[in-house]
Amino acid sequence: GAVVSQHPSWVICKSGTSVKIECRSLDFQATTMFWYRQFPKQSLMLMATSNEGSKATYEQGVEKDKFLINHASLTLSTLTVTSAHPEDSSFYICSATKNIQYFGAGTRLSVL
Amino acid sequence: AQSVTQLDSQVPVFEEAPVELRCNYSSSVSVYLFWYVQYPNQGLQLLLKYLSGSTLVKGINGFEAEFNKSQTSFHLRKPSVHISDTAEYFCAVSVAADSSYKLIFGSGTRLLVRP
Repeated sequence: GAVVSQHPSWVICKSGTSVKIECRSLDFQATTMFWYRQFPKQSLMLMATSNEGSKATYEQGVEKDKFLINHASLTLSTLTVTSAHPEDSSFYICSATKNIQYFGAGTRLSVL
Repeated sequence: AQSVTQLDSQVPVFEEAPVELRCNYSSSVSVYLFWYVQYPNQGLQLLLKYLSGSTLVKGINGFEAEFNKSQTSFHLRKPSVHISDTAEYFCAVSVAADSSYKLIFGSGTRLLVRP
């Protein structure tokens, strides 16, 4: 199968701090990974497309300086929420592509 | 541009009854179609996909879907649901010729299975 691991599954942080979320493809290499944000009882909103070895492509309205994405290897992409504020609290989901998208289990971020 | 419409935000059904979750899409080019399931506080799990070939696609957990090009639909069906099928279901499309693998999601349908 194609397994995508996302860590941590839940994180609580103070306002103003930064939080890093990791997305790993465990048994395959993924040149493209995606990062989504999901508000309660809503669909997934694509934040950015992450390509290994190049800069991420952000969707309109997503602050690239706030949501830093690094895709340093074919199996790892990270999303760093910088200077997090309560309005950044959400469920963040990553996916990795192997012909189709395979999703991680998500990270619930709570900013106090 | 492509779009996906899931007409029902919530579908309540009794256990062992059949269910159909509706999905319609809009696209001027060929698309791939997907159904994903999301359990509370979890990521998305692929139920089934249509890439080409037979229009009737069978997936995991007893689900199936039929691609209807003339009606631009990809409805999800299960002949007999279980309590454990209670979850959020998302229909999604991607452009067949697009190598970026981008997905466009519908708004989701909450399946609520009652005993």
